[in-house]
This record gives sequence, C-alpha cells and structure tokens, in this order.
Amino acid sequence: GQQLNQSPQSMFIQEGEDVSMNCTSSSIFNTWLWYKQDPGEGPVLLIALYKAGELTSNGRLTAQFGITRKDSFLNISASIPSDVGIYFCAGPNGSSNTGKLIFGQGTTLQVKP
Amino acid sequence: DGGITQSPKYLFRKEGQNVTLSCEQNLNHDAMYWYRQDPGQGLRLIYYSQIVNDFQKGDIAEGYSVSREKKESFPLTVTSAQKNPTAFYLCATNNLGHSNQPQHFGDGTRLSIL
Repeated sequence: GQQLNQSPQSMFIQEGEDVSMNCTSSSIFNTWLWYKQDPGEGPVLLIALYKAGELTSNGRLTAQFGITRKDSFLNISASIPSDVGIYFCAGPNGSSNTGKLIFGQGTTLQVKP
Repeated sequence: DGGITQSPKYLFRKEGQNVTLSCEQNLNHDAMYWYRQDPGQGLRLIYYSQIVNDFQKGDIAEGYSVSREKKESFPLTVTSAQKNPTAFYLCATNNLGHSNQPQHFGDGTRLSIL
C-alpha cells in the first residue's frame, strides 16, 4: 500500500536557523499537504500543493511539490521558538476521491532560544 | 480549526467501560474522520463517513464504533473491546465536491485509563 516517509524524524536547532524537511512516497501523488501540530492540539494546515513543480510560500514557510510527484519539501526560514511542534506531510489515500488522507510519521522540531 | 468542536478535552475510562467522544462541525462538510495518535507516531484512521447514515472502517477500527445520524455530528465510542485505548483522538472534516480537499481538524480528546 501507499506509504509516506518523512525525514528527519526530529530536529533540534538554534533560533534563527533555517530548517528543511522532506516527505517521500512509494507512489505518485497529485496533492501534497503540510500540517503543523502544536502540543496537545489538532494539526493545522500550513500549505497545500496541487501541481508538480509548484512552489508555495506562507510567511517564512515554503513548500515544493517535487517534479517526480513522489516527494515534497518544507522549508522554514529564520526559525523562532513558536515554530516548535510536529510537522506532518499528507496526501490522498488511494486513487479515487474518497477524501481520505495518508500521513507521514511527522518531524518533531525543537527550537533553542 | 474553528468550526470543529471535540469534547471532552480529557476523558478517563474505567476497566470494562464504554466511552463516547463527541465531534461536531458547523462547516457543512460532507466527510468526517476519526484518527488515533500515539506518542511519537503519525495519525491512524479509525473510521470515516462520507455521507449521513453511512460510514466505513479505517485501518484500526477494531474496538471502536461510530454513527452518523446527522451531517454535523460523528461520535466515536471506544468500547471495552479496545484493550489499549490510551491515546490522543482527533476528528477531522472535509468536503468531497472538489478533489483532494484538505482535512481540517478539531483540537482533540485525550483518553486515559483509570
């Protein structure tokens, strides 16, 4: 079945540093979604990508839909303490429009002030 | 996300007891989903519903039950058959009118064993 692999699993960085994480799939996706989950809360959608090669920004966050359609990247520039949390990638589960998503295991980000 | 309300925020279950987690949405979304999240892991799908009075099992449905009597509501019951219920439970919704609409999440319910 479909699988999403996120890396790295966790990151511990200094405030002000840039962050890069990625997500790879065993099959082709036509949508990539990136979510952030703060401790004790539900995930919140950061960026949605719908076209191969698409590069989309949301403030200090930038995400790209890989040309092969099997990967996606999320970059955070000039990290701040409130960037702490778990970042998940997600994509459609299956070929039909069921609305179901498959999620990566998450990248846990910790920022040292 | 605003518009999706999960309650309670914290819930404790005694041995052999069934408990029900509430999820209500005012977004008029077609589909609703229940996920389980264990520490350090991703989200695993328990049940989902695309339309009123219909629902399907996800990847880990054993020990859980749901109902979808109204479009706005999708309660999840954790039955006594679920031997390891301690986890963070998340409800999500999306529309099915356009392909690949993102899911939006509630703030979760943390269930623990007494």
